[in-house]
Amino acid sequence: AQKITQTQPGMFVQEKEAVTLDCTYDTSDQSYGLFWYKQPSSGEMIFLIYQGSYDEQNATEGRYSLNFQKARKSANLVISASQLGDSAMYFCAMRGPYTGGFKTIFGAGTRLFVKA
Amino acid sequence: GAVVSQHPSRVICKSGTSVKIECRSLDFQATTMFWYRQFPKKSLMLMATSNEGSKATYEQGVEKDKFLINHASLTLSTLTVTSAHPEDSSFYICSAIDRGYAYEQYFGPGTRLTVT
Repeated sequence: AQKITQTQPGMFVQEKEAVTLDCTYDTSDQSYGLFWYKQPSSGEMIFLIYQGSYDEQNATEGRYSLNFQKARKSANLVISASQLGDSAMYFCAMRGPYTGGFKTIFGAGTRLFVKA
Repeated sequence: GAVVSQHPSRVICKSGTSVKIECRSLDFQATTMFWYRQFPKKSLMLMATSNEGSKATYEQGVEKDKFLINHASLTLSTLTVTSAHPEDSSFYICSAIDRGYAYEQYFGPGTRLTVT
């Protein structure tokens, strides 16, 4: 069965510093996608970054990068130069095309607090 | 980018009544829509997967008769909470997959349901 694990309920980071949010996953699928979403207090789910299981290079999107280690089944999110507006809940998610028919499952989330 | 809307954004209803939440894909055709439920400070829990023109597939533990899902067209899915009770109070989020882009998933802004 597919599973996403986020072991950090909360993280603090100083403004302008980098922070890594951990995510490990478990799946029997060979083809799958890994995602990170940001959820501010408004509740809206904001897509941040995507990594395909066959992508050899780590995905990057502006200040966001995904440290993909397939053998270890980890997909950590790195936020560089943190900003106060980065304070939010962050969810790691996974979807596979075969098992579960395109369902996306989410980790428990990590709440990030950026300090001024 | 693709937009998914939800209506209403907030709803308060009395115990025993039914409430309908609409989810629309505004500029794309959504072959599949998903309904999630999120409790405060918790992760998104998938309730059901809805494919256009067919019956929804519910996750284990989700009451089909309480949470009625209809996906009548490629741009509209509805979730009806029947005979609502205070424990049904939650944040409900829909999301949709753009036809042809299996890994693109777009989320609605969510609906906060309060049952008094």
